[in-house]
Amino acid sequence: AQSVTQLDSHVSVSEGTPVLLRCNYSSSYSPSLFWYVQHPNKGLQLLLKYTSAATLVKGINGFEAEFKKSETSFHLTKPSAHMSDAAEYFCVVSQTGANNLFFGTGTRLTVIP
Amino acid sequence: DAGITQSPRHKVTETGTPVTLRCHQTENHRYMYWYRQDPGHGLRLIHYSYGVKDTDKGEVSDGYSVSRSKTEDFLLTLESATSSQTSVYFCAIGNRDGYSPLHFGNGTRLTVT
Repeated sequence: AQSVTQLDSHVSVSEGTPVLLRCNYSSSYSPSLFWYVQHPNKGLQLLLKYTSAATLVKGINGFEAEFKKSETSFHLTKPSAHMSDAAEYFCVVSQTGANNLFFGTGTRLTVIP
Repeated sequence: DAGITQSPRHKVTETGTPVTLRCHQTENHRYMYWYRQDPGHGLRLIHYSYGVKDTDKGEVSDGYSVSRSKTEDFLLTLESATSSQTSVYFCAIGNRDGYSPLHFGNGTRLTVT
């Protein structure tokens, strides 16, 4: 069975400070993991993906995530928050041949000027 | 948005009326998906299609039906809308390989009064 837990429903950071959005997953097989971002009234945009290659994955807009199998985690980080990063972020797990992705419940990121 | 158009973008309807949402793609993807997004639940799969006239149920399919008569169009129908179906609906396209990301439309906000 697959599932995703996003540990914080809301994260608030000051502009220019680091961002950490936490995600733990459960998967019976080698998973593929994704982070998506959703800006207000928009669809979901892919930030980055892990598919069993390098464990440190770099994405768009300066975001990166590290796959840690021993901790079943895939946390999203960014060294310095920008106002435009304010959005909702979803951690997603899948597996090869699956017909579905499993979404976390989302983390809303607020960036304080 | 990866050549995905959802229509309408907003819809208000009364309980008991039928509603059809449309998803149109220009990417010639075989797989198309309908998700609903609700606070605290992330995105949940309603139905998906793996080809013309080939569809299957997702985890929250009760009260919904779908049809796909052409590769580019995937319709979601609420035969008799209920207030519990008030939600934001997203169409997505992609591959079934489990490691390719899905691409999402901008969503349809449906309110059932």
